[in-house]
Amino acid sequence: DTAVSQTPKYLVTQMGNDKSIKCEQNLGHDTMYWYKQDSKKFLKIMFSYNNKELIINETVPNRFSPKSPDKAHLNLHINSLELGDSAVYFCASSPGAGNTIYFGEGSWLTVV
Amino acid sequence: GDSVTQMEGPVTLSEEAFLTINCTYTATGYPSLFWYVQYPGEGLQLLLKATKADDKGSNKGFEATYRKETTSFHLEKGSVQVSDSAVYFCALSDRDYKLSFGAGTTVTVRA
Repeated sequence: DTAVSQTPKYLVTQMGNDKSIKCEQNLGHDTMYWYKQDSKKFLKIMFSYNNKELIINETVPNRFSPKSPDKAHLNLHINSLELGDSAVYFCASSPGAGNTIYFGEGSWLTVV
Repeated sequence: GDSVTQMEGPVTLSEEAFLTINCTYTATGYPSLFWYVQYPGEGLQLLLKATKADDKGSNKGFEATYRKETTSFHLEKGSVQVSDSAVYFCALSDRDYKLSFGAGTTVTVRA
C-alpha cells in the first residue's frame, strides 16, 4: 500500500489554466505538507497543515490554495498557471513536529 | 534561521569507491537530522536519520553520525554501486513542522 499518494504524477497544461493536485496519506499522520522542487532540485516548503489547520504558509503566491478536507487529504489548487510554476510538487506527511516526514512520489507539472 | 549546507556536486565515482557527502547545519535548538535520497524520476525516500548528538543513522550501507561539536552529519558509504546513483539531500527538523533541506548532491556511479 502506498503511504502517501498523489495524483496526477505528470501534468502538462497551458499558461492561464487552473489545475489541482490531490494527495492522500494512509499513515494516520496529523500533519501534511506541500513542497516544491525547482529545476535545480532545490526543495522548499510551501504549506503545512496540522489537523486540518494551516500552520505554515511560506510566502507562496495566492494563486496557490491548499485545501485539507480531513487529516488524510491535502489538495493543492493552482490558479492562472504561469511558466515559472513548472516544477515537481511533493506531498508529504508526518506524525507531528520534529518527526520524520514521508514523501509522495511527486507530481511533475509542466506549464507550456 | 535554520539552514543546511551540503557539498556541491556533481560527484562522479567508480563502482566500489568510497563516498562521502559533507553536510553541516545551523540551528537554534537541538534538531533531528536526515538524509533523503531521490533516484532518477522518483520521489524522495528517507535514507537514514539521527535525532540526538552522537547518534549514528545507517541504512543500505550508508552511515551518518550526528556531530554536535562540529554541527555536521556527513554521509558515507564504503563501496558504492551503480544503483546508488541519485540525488542526496541533507535535512534538519528543529522540532517544528518543517524540514529545511540542503541543495542536494548529485552522485553518479560508473561501472
